[in-house]
Amino acid sequence: DVKVTQSSRYLVKRTGEKVFLECVQDMDHENMFWYRQDPGLGLRLIYFSYDVKMKEKGDIPEGYSVSREKKERFSLILESASTNQTSMYLCASSSTALGGELFFGEGSRLTVL
Amino acid sequence: DQQVKQNSPSLSVQEGRISILNCDYTNSMFDYFLWYKKYPAEGPTFLISISSIKDKNEDGRFTVFLNKSAKHLSLHIVPSQPGDSAVYFCAAPAPSGSARQLTFGSGTQLTVLP
Repeated sequence: DVKVTQSSRYLVKRTGEKVFLECVQDMDHENMFWYRQDPGLGLRLIYFSYDVKMKEKGDIPEGYSVSREKKERFSLILESASTNQTSMYLCASSSTALGGELFFGEGSRLTVL
Repeated sequence: DQQVKQNSPSLSVQEGRISILNCDYTNSMFDYFLWYKKYPAEGPTFLISISSIKDKNEDGRFTVFLNKSAKHLSLHIVPSQPGDSAVYFCAAPAPSGSARQLTFGSGTQLTVLP
């Protein structure tokens, strides 16, 4: 079974703090993604990566950055957290050669006070 | 510009009856569509997909229909069960691009009443 593991299920941070969200996948997938889910807005793509050290902006990259130093690990960074970044963050991975189906982690619920 | 739209935020259905969830898209270049199911506090899980060369795909109680001329797809669940209560997202991969990243609709909350 594909396993995508997100390091923290629940986080509470203060405005201005730096936040790291870590994601690890064990299926040797080349593609990794970060989405956020908000009520009424569905899943919106923040950043994705199709190879180590490669990254591309998604639909809502402002206020975020990412890091992919190893194939299995994709990190989302909030340099200075703001209240409008309170959300559910979902990491996913996929293999284009295998049809591109996304496999998601369980999500990280971030609250910024 | 929302390329994948789910216009019904919620749907309630009686157990045993049919649930029909709808999705519209604007990009005629989409060639593949997926449905994901999400329970609270869990990540979405893949449910069923359809290629644009087909108009129907069936997997047990779940059937997806694609009407390309109308740019519309629907997910039918029959019979509906209480365990089907979840948020359902339709999605389509980018027609080009390196990772075929998915664009998701806003989701429909399905509640199946016992």
